[in-house]
Amino acid sequence: DAGVTQSPTHLIKTRGQQVTLRCSPKSGHDTVSWYQQALGQGPQFIFQYYEEEERQRGNFPDRFSGHQFPNYSSELNVNALLLGDSALYLCASSLYTGGHTEAFFGQGTRLTVV
Amino acid sequence: TQLLEQSPQFLSIQEGENLTVYCNSSSVFSSLQWYRQEPGEGPVLLVTVVTGGEVKKLKRLTFQFGDARKDSSLHITAAQPGDTGLYLCAGAGYNTDKLIFGTGTRLQVFP
Repeated sequence: DAGVTQSPTHLIKTRGQQVTLRCSPKSGHDTVSWYQQALGQGPQFIFQYYEEEERQRGNFPDRFSGHQFPNYSSELNVNALLLGDSALYLCASSLYTGGHTEAFFGQGTRLTVV
Repeated sequence: TQLLEQSPQFLSIQEGENLTVYCNSSSVFSSLQWYRQEPGEGPVLLVTVVTGGEVKKLKRLTFQFGDARKDSSLHITAAQPGDTGLYLCAGAGYNTDKLIFGTGTRLQVFP
């Protein structure tokens, strides 16, 4: 059973460019969340997708957008990249069961903006 | 704003020692999860605690959820170098599965 997979693993972009990151959830999971983890900090919630709709959003600007496909996979898009967007971007898939949710993370995409 | 504070931030110990990591908040959570993260990797789920006062054991790791569901602790007995990593607690609120992560505790266990 494949876990959460993300691509690419590393990416270098120039300020002002746009980037798309991809995530395939764990088999059987229908909800995908994206997190940004700056160096030395805990992950920060960006947004969550369920049934191809953005269900919740954290405190991130509109430059961050996403999409979920019918097969539950998801993309994170970031426009007009800033140096401060350099971080590890984590995708987590989850399934609500037994009254609570457990999230499983991919290995992340390390984005460097120069 | 929900915040989770972890302490200590850094811990450097010898193999065989015991340690406890604390995760505290003024907010109530429906569940709390503990993760371990290696450099350059995603967090790996260790345990989920759901009931106030709950204690769960995973080999040498003991996790406790506070009675008021606002805090949690992770105790490691006889730490080994393989326990080295970043330990993160994360809380889920009610009617949401968005996770609020703690600030993290970086553990280094020396042989």
